Amino acid sequence: TQLLEQSPQFLSIQEGENLTVYCNSSSVFSSLQWYRQEPGEGPVLLVTVVTGGEVKKLKRLTFQFGDARKDSSLHITAAQPGDTGLYLCAGETSGSRLTFGEGTQLTVNP
Amino acid sequence: SAVISQKPSRDICQRGTSLTIQCQVDSQVTMMFWYRQQPGQSLTLIATANQGSEATYESGFVIDKFPISRPNLTFSTLTVSNMSPEDSSIYLCSAAGTRFNTGELFFGEGSRLTVL
Repeated sequence: TQLLEQSPQFLSIQEGENLTVYCNSSSVFSSLQWYRQEPGEGPVLLVTVVTGGEVKKLKRLTFQFGDARKDSSLHITAAQPGDTGLYLCAGETSGSRLTFGEGTQLTVNP
Repeated sequence: SAVISQKPSRDICQRGTSLTIQCQVDSQVTMMFWYRQQPGQSLTLIATANQGSEATYESGFVIDKFPISRPNLTFSTLTVSNMSPEDSSIYLCSAAGTRFNTGELFFGEGSRLTVL
């Protein structure tokens, strides 16, 4: 079974602070995706990283895929209350099947 | 993008009954999946819904408990059979492989099921 360990599980910070969420596995994935989910809604894709060492930026969010394609990180700069949500990493195996991490519940306080 | 609609959005059911959740996609998709999620927690893949054939179930999930249909490229159903309180969860439909985007996985808003 391919497992993704995500940390931290909970994170509560003040507006303007920076944070990093980690996603680690002992398995290699063909790609790794990050999702954000708000209460009462389904997860929404933020980014897909495919190449080992790849770095992608989405406004204040920076995503990195480890060289060995086993781990990834999400860094948010100057967090805002609108960033509050459940962040999920997911590794793709075969046929678009995804294995999800345990999730990081982020709360950004104004 | 693909828009996915799920019905019902929530329901409260009695122990021992069955409930069917419907998933409608606004465009043809190659892949459809069903996930289960406890509120605020991770998603667990139940099965891949295959068009015109039996679904492919993940370890720990069986067809008798979670029968799935997929009669065409835009629609699927998941039935939760003989429900118990342990089945209380959010059930999410997802789809991938649209005409314009082959890789992204889209999710419905989920069906929140409470079993008493």
